[in-house]
Amino acid sequence: GENVEQHPSTLSVQEGDSAVIKCTYSDSASNYFPWYKQELGKGPQLIIDIRSNVGEKKDQRIAVTLNKTAKHFSLHITETQPEDSAVYFCAAYYDKVIFGPGTSLSVIP
Amino acid sequence: DTEVTQTPKHLVMGMTNKKSLKCEQHMGHRAMYWYKQKAKKPPELMFVYSYEKLSINESVPSRFSPECPNSSLLNLHLHALQPEDSALYLCASSLQGAGGPYEQYFGPGTRLTVT
Repeated sequence: GENVEQHPSTLSVQEGDSAVIKCTYSDSASNYFPWYKQELGKGPQLIIDIRSNVGEKKDQRIAVTLNKTAKHFSLHITETQPEDSAVYFCAAYYDKVIFGPGTSLSVIP
Repeated sequence: DTEVTQTPKHLVMGMTNKKSLKCEQHMGHRAMYWYKQKAKKPPELMFVYSYEKLSINESVPSRFSPECPNSSLLNLHLHALQPEDSALYLCASSLQGAGGPYEQYFGPGTRLTVT
């Protein structure tokens, strides 16, 4: 079955700096890669997603890149703000969503 | 309305109790999901309903019994749970059919404690 790895597990950045989270997946049949943000006491919220026929997607300060050959995908957050502090999960989908283990991001004011 | 609601927010139950978790969405989504999330872990899929029929059961113990009475509602019936079942139970929904896969919208979860 699908396996998703995610690095780093924790990340601290200064406000205004960029943050990068990297994921790998094992099943080459996976065709959809969502990223979720989970704040304390809340359910996961989709922040951006990318499909297997696209290499890069941007939405304001957030971008995701996908390398299907290497089975890598990454989340880039620019100009980080304290409200970006949360746990971020990458995921891969073939017949169901498989989540990575998560990255706890802290943005230091 | 892009909201998935879950009740109750918190639940404490003994190992001999029977309780139910409820989930509701009014987005016209025809796929609904139950996930279990332990502290500092990612959500783990439990069940998937597609067009009100159970399509995926991730080998979940029978003490968890899902029900989808209509396209807007999803229940999870709990009976004879163990302390290790204490977790955050998340409901999600999505569109279904051609053109997918589709974004899953999550509810805030029910924090379950089994004593």
